[in-house]
Amino acid sequence: GAGVSQSPSNKVTEKGKDVELRCDPISGHTALYWYRQSLGQGLEFLIYFQGNSAPDKSGLPSDRFSAERTGGSVSTLTIQRTQQEDSAVYLCASSLVPSQNIQYFGAGTRLSVL
Amino acid sequence: AQSVTQLDSQVPVFEEAPVELRCNYSSSVSVYLFWYVQYPNQGLQLLLKYLSGSTLVESINGFEAEFNKSQTSFHLRKPSVHISDTAEYFCAVSGLTGGGNKLTFGTGTQLKVEL
Repeated sequence: GAGVSQSPSNKVTEKGKDVELRCDPISGHTALYWYRQSLGQGLEFLIYFQGNSAPDKSGLPSDRFSAERTGGSVSTLTIQRTQQEDSAVYLCASSLVPSQNIQYFGAGTRLSVL
Repeated sequence: AQSVTQLDSQVPVFEEAPVELRCNYSSSVSVYLFWYVQYPNQGLQLLLKYLSGSTLVESINGFEAEFNKSQTSFHLRKPSVHISDTAEYFCAVSGLTGGGNKLTFGTGTQLKVEL
Protein backbone atom coordinates (compact mmCIF):
# COMPACT_ATOMS: atom_id res chain seq x y z
CA GLY A 1 0.00 0.00 0.00
CA ALA A 2 0.91 3.67 -0.14
CA GLY A 3 1.45 4.05 3.57
CA VAL A 4 1.55 2.21 6.87
CA SER A 5 -1.87 0.82 7.63
CA GLN A 6 -3.11 0.03 11.12
CA SER A 7 -6.29 -1.67 12.25
CA PRO A 8 -8.54 -1.20 13.99
CA SER A 9 -8.43 2.57 14.23
CA ASN A 10 -10.26 2.42 17.54
CA LYS A 11 -10.63 -0.39 20.04
CA VAL A 12 -12.65 -0.38 23.23
CA THR A 13 -12.21 -3.33 25.54
CA GLU A 14 -12.92 -4.38 29.08
CA LYS A 15 -10.24 -4.73 31.69
CA GLY A 16 -8.82 -8.24 31.66
CA LYS A 17 -9.54 -8.98 27.99
CA ASP A 18 -6.87 -9.66 25.38
CA VAL A 19 -6.51 -7.41 22.32
CA GLU A 20 -4.67 -7.68 19.02
CA LEU A 21 -3.54 -4.69 17.03
CA ARG A 22 -2.44 -5.05 13.42
CA CYS A 23 0.12 -3.20 11.34
CA ASP A 24 0.71 -3.41 7.59
CA PRO A 25 4.01 -1.70 6.79
CA ILE A 26 4.92 0.01 3.54
CA SER A 27 5.67 -2.62 0.93
CA GLY A 28 9.36 -3.43 0.80
CA HIS A 29 10.19 -1.90 4.17
CA THR A 30 12.28 -4.33 6.16
CA ALA A 31 12.16 -2.57 9.51
CA LEU A 32 9.01 -2.28 11.61
CA TYR A 33 8.51 -0.49 14.92
CA TRP A 34 5.78 -0.20 17.54
CA TYR A 35 5.41 2.83 19.76
CA ARG A 36 2.86 3.89 22.36
CA GLN A 37 1.56 7.41 22.81
CA SER A 38 -0.12 8.19 26.10
CA LEU A 39 -0.89 11.35 28.03
CA GLY A 40 1.30 10.51 30.95
CA GLN A 41 4.27 8.96 29.18
CA GLY A 42 4.45 10.67 25.79
CA LEU A 43 5.79 8.63 22.88
CA GLU A 44 7.54 5.43 23.95
CA PHE A 45 9.31 2.79 21.92
CA LEU A 46 7.94 -0.71 22.40
CA ILE A 47 9.54 -3.16 19.95
CA TYR A 48 11.54 -3.25 16.72
CA PHE A 49 11.74 -5.89 13.98
CA GLN A 50 14.44 -5.98 11.31
CA GLY A 51 14.31 -8.71 8.70
CA ASN A 52 14.87 -12.14 10.19
CA SER A 53 16.85 -10.88 13.15
CA ALA A 54 15.63 -11.35 16.69
CA PRO A 55 13.38 -8.41 17.60
CA ASP A 56 14.46 -5.70 20.01
CA LYS A 57 11.87 -6.04 22.77
CA SER A 58 13.55 -3.68 25.20
CA GLY A 59 10.62 -1.25 25.30
CA LEU A 60 7.83 -3.68 26.14
CA PRO A 61 6.46 -2.57 29.53
CA SER A 62 5.48 -6.00 30.83
CA ASP A 63 5.20 -9.63 29.83
CA ARG A 64 1.54 -9.02 28.98
CA PHE A 65 2.78 -7.35 25.82
CA SER A 66 4.06 -9.35 22.85
CA ALA A 67 4.41 -8.87 19.13
CA GLU A 68 5.16 -10.93 16.10
CA ARG A 69 5.87 -10.25 12.48
CA THR A 70 4.87 -12.87 9.98
CA GLY A 71 6.63 -13.33 6.67
CA GLY A 72 8.62 -10.16 7.19
CA SER A 73 5.54 -8.04 6.58
CA VAL A 74 2.42 -7.77 8.73
CA SER A 75 2.88 -7.38 12.46
CA THR A 76 0.50 -8.00 15.34
CA LEU A 77 0.87 -6.46 18.79
CA THR A 78 -0.95 -8.44 21.46
CA ILE A 79 -1.82 -7.19 24.91
CA GLN A 80 -3.04 -9.84 27.32
CA ARG A 81 -5.21 -9.18 30.37
CA THR A 82 -5.52 -5.49 29.52
CA GLN A 83 -5.34 -2.91 32.28
CA GLN A 84 -6.66 0.64 32.33
CA GLU A 85 -3.11 1.99 32.14
CA ASP A 86 -2.77 0.28 28.75
CA SER A 87 -5.15 2.88 27.30
CA ALA A 88 -3.15 4.78 24.70
CA VAL A 89 -2.62 5.24 20.99
CA TYR A 90 -0.45 2.48 19.57
CA LEU A 91 1.59 3.61 16.59
CA CYS A 92 3.35 1.46 14.04
CA ALA A 93 6.15 2.68 11.80
CA SER A 94 8.24 1.15 9.04
CA SER A 95 11.57 2.00 7.50
CA LEU A 96 13.18 1.04 4.21
CA VAL A 97 16.77 1.38 5.30
CA PRO A 98 17.16 1.03 9.05
CA SER A 99 20.62 2.53 9.01
CA GLN A 100 19.13 5.87 8.05
CA ASN A 101 16.15 5.26 10.23
CA ILE A 102 13.61 7.37 8.38
CA GLN A 103 10.47 5.97 9.91
CA TYR A 104 7.01 6.40 8.41
CA PHE A 105 4.09 6.15 10.79
CA GLY A 106 0.58 4.81 10.54
CA ALA A 107 -2.42 6.68 11.94
CA GLY A 108 -2.44 4.51 15.04
CA THR A 109 -4.90 2.43 17.00
CA ARG A 110 -6.60 4.19 19.89
CA LEU A 111 -7.09 1.63 22.66
CA SER A 112 -9.49 2.35 25.49
CA VAL A 113 -9.63 -0.09 28.39
CA LEU A 114 -12.75 0.33 30.51
CA ALA B 1 21.09 5.99 25.58
CA GLN B 2 19.58 9.18 24.25
CA SER B 3 17.15 11.75 25.62
CA VAL B 4 15.33 14.70 24.11
CA THR B 5 14.09 17.85 25.82
CA GLN B 6 11.44 20.13 24.42
CA LEU B 7 11.16 22.84 27.00
CA ASP B 8 8.03 24.48 25.61
CA SER B 9 4.86 22.44 25.93
CA GLN B 10 2.77 25.12 24.21
CA VAL B 11 3.68 27.97 21.90
CA PRO B 12 0.96 30.45 20.90
CA VAL B 13 1.80 32.72 17.98
CA PHE B 14 -0.07 35.04 15.65
CA GLU B 15 -0.39 34.22 11.98
CA GLU B 16 2.49 35.50 9.83
CA ALA B 17 4.74 35.85 12.88
CA PRO B 18 8.00 33.90 13.18
CA VAL B 19 8.29 30.93 15.51
CA GLU B 20 11.02 28.81 17.05
CA LEU B 21 10.38 25.47 18.73
CA ARG B 22 13.30 24.39 20.86
CA CYS B 23 14.83 20.95 21.01
CA ASN B 24 17.90 19.80 22.92
CA TYR B 25 19.21 16.28 23.03
CA SER B 26 21.63 14.21 25.01
CA SER B 27 23.55 11.28 23.61
CA SER B 28 26.80 9.45 24.13
CA VAL B 29 26.99 8.56 20.43
CA SER B 30 26.49 10.38 17.15
CA VAL B 31 22.86 10.82 16.25
CA TYR B 32 20.30 11.35 13.57
CA LEU B 33 17.75 14.06 14.36
CA PHE B 34 14.15 14.42 13.26
CA TRP B 35 11.12 16.65 13.59
CA TYR B 36 7.71 15.05 13.28
CA VAL B 37 4.36 16.86 13.13
CA GLN B 38 1.05 15.49 14.34
CA TYR B 39 -2.16 17.15 13.21
CA PRO B 40 -5.31 16.53 15.27
CA ASN B 41 -6.46 12.92 15.13
CA GLN B 42 -3.72 11.96 12.71
CA GLY B 43 -0.50 10.00 12.89
CA LEU B 44 3.01 11.37 12.93
CA GLN B 45 4.38 12.86 9.73
CA LEU B 46 8.07 13.39 9.10
CA LEU B 47 8.71 17.11 8.75
CA LEU B 48 12.48 17.16 8.29
CA LYS B 49 15.60 15.24 9.21
CA TYR B 50 19.31 15.66 9.79
CA LEU B 51 21.38 12.63 8.84
CA SER B 52 24.69 14.16 7.75
CA GLY B 53 26.12 16.97 5.66
CA SER B 54 24.72 20.49 5.84
CA THR B 55 23.63 21.35 9.35
CA LEU B 56 20.70 23.41 8.06
CA VAL B 57 17.81 21.32 6.78
CA GLU B 58 14.56 22.54 5.28
CA SER B 59 11.08 21.19 4.71
CA ILE B 60 8.85 21.81 1.71
CA ASN B 61 6.43 23.95 3.72
CA GLY B 62 8.89 26.56 4.95
CA PHE B 63 10.19 25.05 8.18
CA GLU B 64 13.90 24.73 8.82
CA ALA B 65 16.06 23.33 11.58
CA GLU B 66 19.73 23.66 12.33
CA PHE B 67 21.86 20.98 13.92
CA ASN B 68 24.21 22.53 16.45
CA LYS B 69 26.54 19.86 17.79
CA SER B 70 28.27 22.05 20.34
CA GLN B 71 24.96 23.09 21.89
CA THR B 72 23.33 19.69 21.27
CA SER B 73 20.33 21.44 19.77
CA PHE B 74 18.05 21.04 16.78
CA HIS B 75 15.63 23.96 16.99
CA LEU B 76 12.79 24.25 14.50
CA ARG B 77 12.01 27.63 12.94
CA LYS B 78 9.61 29.17 10.50
CA PRO B 79 9.79 32.84 9.49
CA SER B 80 6.04 33.24 8.94
CA VAL B 81 3.46 30.76 10.25
CA HIS B 82 0.00 29.96 8.92
CA ILE B 83 -3.16 28.82 10.64
CA SER B 84 -2.63 25.41 9.02
CA ASP B 85 0.63 24.98 10.95
CA THR B 86 -1.36 24.48 14.15
CA ALA B 87 -0.31 21.02 15.33
CA GLU B 88 1.90 19.21 17.79
CA TYR B 89 5.57 19.00 16.93
CA PHE B 90 7.88 16.27 18.18
CA CYS B 91 11.64 16.28 18.11
CA ALA B 92 13.26 12.85 17.98
CA VAL B 93 16.71 11.32 17.97
CA SER B 94 18.20 7.95 17.12
CA GLY B 95 21.72 6.78 17.71
CA LEU B 96 24.00 5.84 14.84
CA THR B 97 25.51 3.11 16.94
CA GLY B 98 24.23 1.48 20.07
CA GLY B 99 20.69 1.89 21.36
CA GLY B 100 19.32 0.20 18.27
CA ASN B 101 17.25 2.06 15.73
CA LYS B 102 14.48 3.18 18.00
CA LEU B 103 13.45 6.81 18.05
CA THR B 104 13.54 8.65 21.33
CA PHE B 105 10.99 11.46 21.34
CA GLY B 106 10.64 14.68 23.23
CA THR B 107 7.39 15.42 25.01
CA GLY B 108 6.12 17.55 22.15
CA THR B 109 5.32 21.23 21.61
CA GLN B 110 1.79 22.29 20.79
CA LEU B 111 1.95 25.13 18.27
CA LYS B 112 -1.22 27.19 18.18
CA VAL B 113 -1.44 29.79 15.44
CA GLU B 114 -4.00 32.52 16.02
CA LEU B 115 -5.47 35.17 13.77
